[in-house]
Amino acid sequence: NAGVMQNPRHLVRRRGQEARLRCSPMKGHSHVYWYRQLPEEGLKFMVYLQKENIIDESGMPKERFSAEFPKEGPSILRIQQVVRGDSAAYFCASSSGTGAQPQHFGDGTRLSIL
Amino acid sequence: SQKIEQNSEALNIQEGKTATLTCNYTNYSPAYLQWYRQDPGRGPVFLLLIRENEKEKRKERLKVTFDTTLKQSLFHITASQPADSATYLCALEGEYGDYKLSFGAGTTVTVRA
Repeated sequence: NAGVMQNPRHLVRRRGQEARLRCSPMKGHSHVYWYRQLPEEGLKFMVYLQKENIIDESGMPKERFSAEFPKEGPSILRIQQVVRGDSAAYFCASSSGTGAQPQHFGDGTRLSIL
Repeated sequence: SQKIEQNSEALNIQEGKTATLTCNYTNYSPAYLQWYRQDPGRGPVFLLLIRENEKEKRKERLKVTFDTTLKQSLFHITASQPADSATYLCALEGEYGDYKLSFGAGTTVTVRA
């Protein structure tokens, strides 16, 4: 399967714990995006990364959230000290470029905070 | 700031009929617009992209129009089938970055056999 792979598919954390979400882009894609989807709401842009660089993190909360896309390995979205409001589906997408390019999405990680 | 509105109600149609979904946007003039399909528990799947200088685009039983004067896109599923049942999302390039897609909340389509 050469699609975007996200894991885990489901993640349960208690308040105050850390959540790590992983994303492997499609083969040949160097542009990675993270979106968050709340029930009954549209996908909201969080962050855009290229290898080893954060290009735009304007949609990501300033505190507790961070993202990386190392030279080797998957992209990671990290949420520290999780709170109930962090419960959502987090989707990763990748593309071969920007501009009029479709983004290819993974099936998401459903994060539940107890 | 940019605002995107899709049909607020779910669409229920009989198999074989045409489903028409609406996407309206304000405060911005995107150079292109995309439509995605999302099934429950899955990620969005890209369907079609239409540029501002294209009035209409087709792919198999799907047709998209883009009216930059009305700031509206219409998405049609012709000869609909139960397998077309899903949520359809409209997405615009971001106002401050063409990689930053802004999505509508989606319209859920159910096709009855």
